[in-house]
Amino acid sequence: AQSVAQPEDQVNVAEGNPLTVKCTYSVSGNPYLFWYVQYPNRGLQFLLKYITGDNLVKGSYGFEAEFNKSQTSFHLKKPSALVSDSALYFCAVRARYNDYKLSFGAGTTVTVRA
Amino acid sequence: DTAVSQTPKYLVTQMGNDKSIKCEQNLGHDTMYWYKQDSKKFLKIMFSYNNKELIINETVPNRFSPKSPDKAHLNLHINSLELGDSAVYFCASSQDRQSEQFFGPGTRLTVL
Repeated sequence: AQSVAQPEDQVNVAEGNPLTVKCTYSVSGNPYLFWYVQYPNRGLQFLLKYITGDNLVKGSYGFEAEFNKSQTSFHLKKPSALVSDSALYFCAVRARYNDYKLSFGAGTTVTVRA
Repeated sequence: DTAVSQTPKYLVTQMGNDKSIKCEQNLGHDTMYWYKQDSKKFLKIMFSYNNKELIINETVPNRFSPKSPDKAHLNLHINSLELGDSAVYFCASSQDRQSEQFFGPGTRLTVL
């Protein structure tokens, strides 16, 4: 079985401050890990993924995430948040043996105040 | 030039009716998916097709039936709609098993 936990329902930060959205996963073997963002009344947009290689992954809109195998975490970070980053963020995992099924976390709502 | 498109965007219907949602992708991807997002924003995979072959069929009532006429299309037909079917349904596609999925804009289904 595979699963994702996003321990925070909401994250609130001031514009210009660092933003972190937490994600931990449970999977047998090595994972494929993804972050997606959903703006109101829109579909999900891909931000970044970890497949293999460098543990620090850089993605769209200045976001990055660090894969930590020992802590089974894949936290999303942005050094300086913008008001336009306010959205719903989803972490997702797939086990390498499981070819196609992607399991999503419950989502974290990020609010960046001006 | 929308990558993954869905029709309709909104669907309001009565209990007991039958309805379909259509999805098309112009990305040349081999795999397509249907997800259900409930009122709490939780996302759950329903079905997936790879090269028109069903590869994921989650625990979904058999009132839901996907159909893939070709690699670029994956439609979702729902029979005897129930109140609990009200949700946003997302179609997605991916190039292969390692790649990220591209999502459509969603279809908001409301069953009255």
